[in-house]
Amino acid sequence: ETGVTQTPRHLVMGMTNKKSLKCEQHLGHNAMYWYKQSAKKPLELMFVYNFKEQTENNSVPSRFSPECPNSSHLFLHLHTLQPEDSALYLCASSQGTGKDEQYFGPGTRLTVT
Amino acid sequence: QKEVEQNSGPLSVPEGAIASLNCTYSDRGSQSFFWYRQYSGKSPELIMFIYSNGDKEDGRFTAQLNKASQYVSLLIRDSQPSDSATYLCALSGSARQLTFGSGTQLTVLP
Repeated sequence: ETGVTQTPRHLVMGMTNKKSLKCEQHLGHNAMYWYKQSAKKPLELMFVYNFKEQTENNSVPSRFSPECPNSSHLFLHLHTLQPEDSALYLCASSQGTGKDEQYFGPGTRLTVT
Repeated sequence: QKEVEQNSGPLSVPEGAIASLNCTYSDRGSQSFFWYRQYSGKSPELIMFIYSNGDKEDGRFTAQLNKASQYVSLLIRDSQPSDSATYLCALSGSARQLTFGSGTQLTVLP
């Protein structure tokens, strides 16, 4: 595997379900990110991890819970989501935070029914 | 004023023409600038980055940066239908993370 991978690529879940999104980066980077992209809207930064430590939480509802066990893996745990949470969820990584370019995974298309 | 502003488009150019995409920003402390291409339903792909004033060329792409006027642009020469996508401008400034614009949708007409 190369670059940034995400699983699953597509997910349909009910409002009472619990699911997790997984991201893995094979670039040797130290920072990882979760973004949300809704239709016709710009990228929304959700969480930032740098060296496994969460450095940013952009007022994300608690029904989204991130986990970063090491610098290569990032999870987003989902529970009791709302239909408006349906979106493309993108993981990205970079060497450090701030000035460095970010590389994105293919995303998980989430539909909440 | 938004931190990063892009004309949402759609911008249409004929095949073979030069497509010019512009981005203005408000943070004078911005140091690094990036252009991403995003095809419909896909994730953003980094295509160019520029740190210094002036032009940077990579194949058919040229990024232009003018820090005094606070704009960065992307020129695509000999545009192809496969260049049709949304182009996102991003920059690093006083915020600790990259700030993205909302993107410009480009359509190259065959």
